[in-house]
Amino acid sequence: RKEVEQDPGPFNVPEGATVAFNCTYSNSASQSFFWYRQDCRKEPKLLMSVYSSGNEDGRFTAQLNRASQYISLLIRDSKLSDSATYLCVVNPGSSYKLIFGSGTRLLVRP
Amino acid sequence: DAMVIQNPRYQVTQFGKPVTLSCSQTLNHNVMYWYQQKSSQAPKLLFHYYDKDFNNEADTPDNFQSRRPNTSFCFLDIRSPGLGDAAMYLCATSRPFGSNEQFFGPGTRLTVL
Repeated sequence: RKEVEQDPGPFNVPEGATVAFNCTYSNSASQSFFWYRQDCRKEPKLLMSVYSSGNEDGRFTAQLNRASQYISLLIRDSKLSDSATYLCVVNPGSSYKLIFGSGTRLLVRP
Repeated sequence: DAMVIQNPRYQVTQFGKPVTLSCSQTLNHNVMYWYQQKSSQAPKLLFHYYDKDFNNEADTPDNFQSRRPNTSFCFLDIRSPGLGDAAMYLCATSRPFGSNEQFFGPGTRLTVL
């Protein structure tokens, strides 16, 4: 079983749609959680950290469910510019290294 | 602006010809990482430095080596590139404490002919 698992997609949605991505992690001792965004042929960039209480940044909402070892990202009112790969990233707690999921690809169409 | 810089952005080499990729940072972070990323895959950690302490991942081939002469610079040496080494190579930095967020450079895309 992979340490961090994501649905690879692609998710193909119209502009204005709401889309949700899920991610599961295997290590219950994991400490920190992140969503990174990666555009085609570019480097990953931090989208948001994920806190136990959940957090929101504009159109983006991240949730953490420690009991189910599950992280989600909700994007409301999708824009064309949201088209990218979204990487679920976990710090397993044993060190400062991060474990990356393979990413979920989002395509927002006009 | 503080950042992570990688050079070159694109590197073409021949099969078996050594190549060196470079990374520099102005963030003054203790930890520097090298990742290999192939299409539609997660970044794969090759190794990292915590200050001058080198940490190799168990499955990183011997063909890959690294040097960190000072806090700001880190190099990735591929001694004998094979066709399977064609990939994006990403350098990242972080602090070893706190949120552990990693900051990435723009990457070097390596082509092996």
